[in-house]
Amino acid sequence: DTGVSQDPRHKITKRGQNVTFRCDPISEHNRLYWYRQTLGQGPEFLTYFQNEAQLEKSRLLSDRFSAERPKGSFSTLEIQRTEQGDSAMYLCASSLAGGKGEQYFGPGTRLTVT
Amino acid sequence: AQRVTQPEKLLSVFKGAPVELKCNYSYSGSPELFWYVQYSRQRLQLLLRHISRESIKGFTADLNKGETSFHLKKPFAQEEDSAMYYCALILNQGGKLIFGQGTELSVKP
Repeated sequence: DTGVSQDPRHKITKRGQNVTFRCDPISEHNRLYWYRQTLGQGPEFLTYFQNEAQLEKSRLLSDRFSAERPKGSFSTLEIQRTEQGDSAMYLCASSLAGGKGEQYFGPGTRLTVT
Repeated sequence: AQRVTQPEKLLSVFKGAPVELKCNYSYSGSPELFWYVQYSRQRLQLLLRHISRESIKGFTADLNKGETSFHLKKPFAQEEDSAMYYCALILNQGGKLIFGQGTELSVKP
């Protein structure tokens, strides 16, 4: 296991298009998190799952955003009708529930909306 | 609301100089605090956590509940310490991280 992986690493899309990102966590980790990071800011929490259950969603996650983790393994984050303000780095992280709180981050997907 | 503040966007020091990256938090409960680091072209990774009271790569951080601070310190900076440093707070074990804005540390030769 080489750690958390994300696909694609870069995505350029036109405003109004839908995009989907994938995250594969560390295999034994049951928690999976999505964060968004814009230039000059720290990561901002979007949502997280424990197994397949989505336990929390940020108010940042508008109804254009949806995340799934259907089998409790990989997760997808979809953005519908993208806007220029969605341009950011989308980070995925995973951890063990009940662990020491350490989250392991993926390399991120950089989204550019033109 | 819970918040983490890192007042310095950029901290520039010379090799061998002491370093202190500031972090203040606002949270009424018992926080768990972390420092994460991102080296150039690498992913975000944990540097240290307050509950472990450990020293990693010569860095230490002490939680001061009275001042609601968790400053990161190193007595002698090295060039390889140059990176982005993020202070983060967890509200409940295993839950979401709340990050500060980050401080870029630049260590000059």
